[in-house]
Amino acid sequence: NAGVTQTPKFQVLKTGQSMTLQCAQDMNHNSMYWYRQDPGMGLRLIYYSASEGTTDKGEVPNGYNVSRLNKREFSLRLESAAPSQTSVYFCASMDFALGVSDTEAFFGQGTRLTVV
Amino acid sequence: LAKTTQPISMDSYEGQEVNITCSHNNIATNDYITWYQQFPSQGPRFIIQGYKTKVTNEVASLFIPADRKSSTLSLPRVSLSDTAVYYCLVGDNDYKLSFGAGTTVTVRA
Repeated sequence: NAGVTQTPKFQVLKTGQSMTLQCAQDMNHNSMYWYRQDPGMGLRLIYYSASEGTTDKGEVPNGYNVSRLNKREFSLRLESAAPSQTSVYFCASMDFALGVSDTEAFFGQGTRLTVV
Repeated sequence: LAKTTQPISMDSYEGQEVNITCSHNNIATNDYITWYQQFPSQGPRFIIQGYKTKVTNEVASLFIPADRKSSTLSLPRVSLSDTAVYYCLVGDNDYKLSFGAGTTVTVRA
């Protein structure tokens, strides 16, 4: 049982390049999330997927796109990377039920992205 | 998601008890209160959750007064390894899982 797996763990991009961050969970959770965390800051929600087939914007969606490929996988794409997107990206999953908030979220180990 | 307010940082020494209070004045009837811990270079991890009164596990205790407008995370006899950021989250009726800035707890020898 691996939990939440993110790939790659590290990446350096040049400005304008594109890339996709991959996230997979093996806990059969319905909800998945992408966050970014800048140095010394809290986590900011980029996009989330309440269930397979749905995605919604979070607090900082500009410059990103997401795909909920299936129940297990939720990818984050940077179409044209910018230095402001240098950050640590975390994926999370949770078995959320509407109206019930007594579940816990599980996080991946993060992807450290540098855009030069 | 109910708005939460918690201190930006707290300092402590090894062996002391650390109490972090989170305010959540707009908590809804169905909302639970959940705390996460994040070590440097790692993703957050769940540490404790409660609805009312007191909850205790091997890591921490969570105290929730009757009006549920605040909660206090208590870390007993902290060690250097408890240095981390602690996040308080309340409710989630729209699937969003939003973290604030959290409280940075620094434990010194």
